[in-house]
Amino acid sequence: KAGVTQTPRYLIKTRGQQVTLSCSPISGHRSVSWYQQTPGQGLQFLFEYFSETQRNKGNFPGRFSGRQFSNSRSEMNVSTLELGDSALYLCASSPDSTGNTIYFGEGSWLTVV
Amino acid sequence: GENVEQHPSTLSVQEGDSAVIKCTYSDSASNYFPWYKQELGKRPQLIIDIRSNVGEKKDQRIAVTLNKTAKHFSLHITETQPEDSAVYFCAASMASGGSYIPTFGRGTSLIVHP
Repeated sequence: KAGVTQTPRYLIKTRGQQVTLSCSPISGHRSVSWYQQTPGQGLQFLFEYFSETQRNKGNFPGRFSGRQFSNSRSEMNVSTLELGDSALYLCASSPDSTGNTIYFGEGSWLTVV
Repeated sequence: GENVEQHPSTLSVQEGDSAVIKCTYSDSASNYFPWYKQELGKRPQLIIDIRSNVGEKKDQRIAVTLNKTAKHFSLHITETQPEDSAVYFCAASMASGGSYIPTFGRGTSLIVHP
């Protein structure tokens, strides 16, 4: 089985722009979650989706949003980018409905300049 | 919300020694505790997990112990090898809205010297 696939892998954006990151889960996985990893704050939970519904959201401002499509693929969007949004954004998928056991993708490295 | 503290931040051992990483959590509602290994430039990978109804779990050279009363859990790696060198993250997860919300520790950089 192919693993969790994230695109793009690397991108550079300017402050104030917006960005969309994409995630394709492992085939058959319906739970998709997103995380932000930075040296300063570590690994933080952003949100989790199951069957196109957001079930949980972490403590991030409304500029961070996401969605899940009927094929379980997911996207996250960050609007009005700030320098502090520079991070590795990790997507993970889970084979169980609780989203407990997760498998991470390689991540998308976002640099905001 | 949940708060997870992880110690030490860096751990240096000689090949063959044991390594122990400790995490404490604050919310007694957390009931799932996974550990992840992240090698440099790679994705985090689940290496072992434990649920709150279990006190200890072992998988070859890796073991995890959980003390619910004290709200702490630990990762034990025996007979360390250079390929064990990586950053290890603990997490405490609680059920919410049909899924689990993980809170991660800040990570421990384990260095195994040959």
